[in-house]
Amino acid sequence: GENVEQHPSTLSVQEGDSAVIKCTYSDSASNYFPWYKQELGKGPQLIIDIRSNVGEKKDQRIAVTLNKTAKHFSLHITETQPEDSAVYFCAAGLDNYGQNFVFGPGTRLSVLP
Amino acid sequence: SQTIHQWPATLVQPVGSPLSLECTVEGTSNPNLYWYRQAAGRGLQLLFYSVGIGQISSEVPQNLSASRPQDRQFILSSKKLLLSDSGFYLCAWTSYPEAFFGQGTRLTVV
Repeated sequence: GENVEQHPSTLSVQEGDSAVIKCTYSDSASNYFPWYKQELGKGPQLIIDIRSNVGEKKDQRIAVTLNKTAKHFSLHITETQPEDSAVYFCAAGLDNYGQNFVFGPGTRLSVLP
Repeated sequence: SQTIHQWPATLVQPVGSPLSLECTVEGTSNPNLYWYRQAAGRGLQLLFYSVGIGQISSEVPQNLSASRPQDRQFILSSKKLLLSDSGFYLCAWTSYPEAFFGQGTRLTVV
């Protein structure tokens, strides 16, 4: 089955700096890679996703890159703000109805003012 | 619009007591439903998922069970809680291909 690793487990950056979180996956059949943000005491929410036919996707300050050959994908947050502080989860799975995702262990991002 | 409700938000239960967490989804029919557990500082572990009424798949052998008595209702249960059952439990449903999570239940077994 799929196995997703995520690094680092914790990340502290100064406000305005960039943050990068990296994930690797094991199942070459996976073709859908979402990223979720979990704020304290809440459930995770989707912030961006990428499919295997795309190498990069951007949404304002957030971007995700995918290297299918190496089986790794990354989340990039630029111009970080205090409200970006949260736990971020990557996931990998099949982009089909009824899919089950496998989540990474999460990265706790702290943006210091 | 679709919404997901999960309750209670927090729960403190003694070891050996039963457990029942409920999750309901509104605004959609025949959703895929999921129960995840998040241990302190850990990732999301898939416990059960259901693709229809009465259809439950277990991902990890547990002291827990799940049931889906109605199309949009998913229940997580235990007959006798263990200390190791403490954690943050999340219900989710998927709308191709995004997963939507409930607010979670923080369970502390004492």
